[in-house]
Amino acid sequence: DAKTTQPNSMESNEEEPVHLPCNHSTISGTDYIHWYRQLPSQGPEYVIHGLTSNVNNRMASLAIAEDRKSSTLILHRATLRDAAVYYCILAGSARQLTFGSGTQLTVLP
Amino acid sequence: EPEVTQTPSHQVTQMGQEVILRCVPISNHLYFYWYRQILGQKVEFLVSFYNNEISEKSEIFDDQFSVERPDGSNFTLKIRSTKLEDSAMYFCASTELALTTDTQYFGPGTRLTVL
Repeated sequence: DAKTTQPNSMESNEEEPVHLPCNHSTISGTDYIHWYRQLPSQGPEYVIHGLTSNVNNRMASLAIAEDRKSSTLILHRATLRDAAVYYCILAGSARQLTFGSGTQLTVLP
Repeated sequence: EPEVTQTPSHQVTQMGQEVILRCVPISNHLYFYWYRQILGQKVEFLVSFYNNEISEKSEIFDDQFSVERPDGSNFTLKIRSTKLEDSAMYFCASTELALTTDTQYFGPGTRLTVL
């Protein structure tokens, strides 16, 4: 499976935008880029996914580089409730998700 | 909004005992998963289940583990003889279809403590 690299931790101020980066230089043409998050003491939760084009939903936006070797999850206005571990996951032929260590996002009031 | 539920939320057992963790996936979903997360570590895939049989399993899912869909709503994970190292959070997940683009919906987890 192609591997992803994310910073261990990031901080943001409440109500400010947050850009969470992910590198996936060995991504294959059929790999989808998924983002999940895990709030404290909860199960993982889907955030967004995309293949080539940028994607928006009610939770976040996903910006995918033209060469697809990196992507950025954008939270437009971070709230305290967004404090979580964010996982960038490549999904190819395997249906199961392979979680890395993710990025621990701390939101400061 | 439909959700995946899991029971119990916390299970304490003695080493060597059998445990059954229960999950109720979202009702129209067809593909089911178990993952586990040892405290402070990554979420790890255990097994996927489709059409009443195991679809894929990881190296962790050895002969001590089994899964079953005993009726139309429940999906269970059985550990036959628990070990100390089985202590972890166990998450059930389900997807509507079997596509890699499908969203996996996770339950809140069962914390298993093996003494």
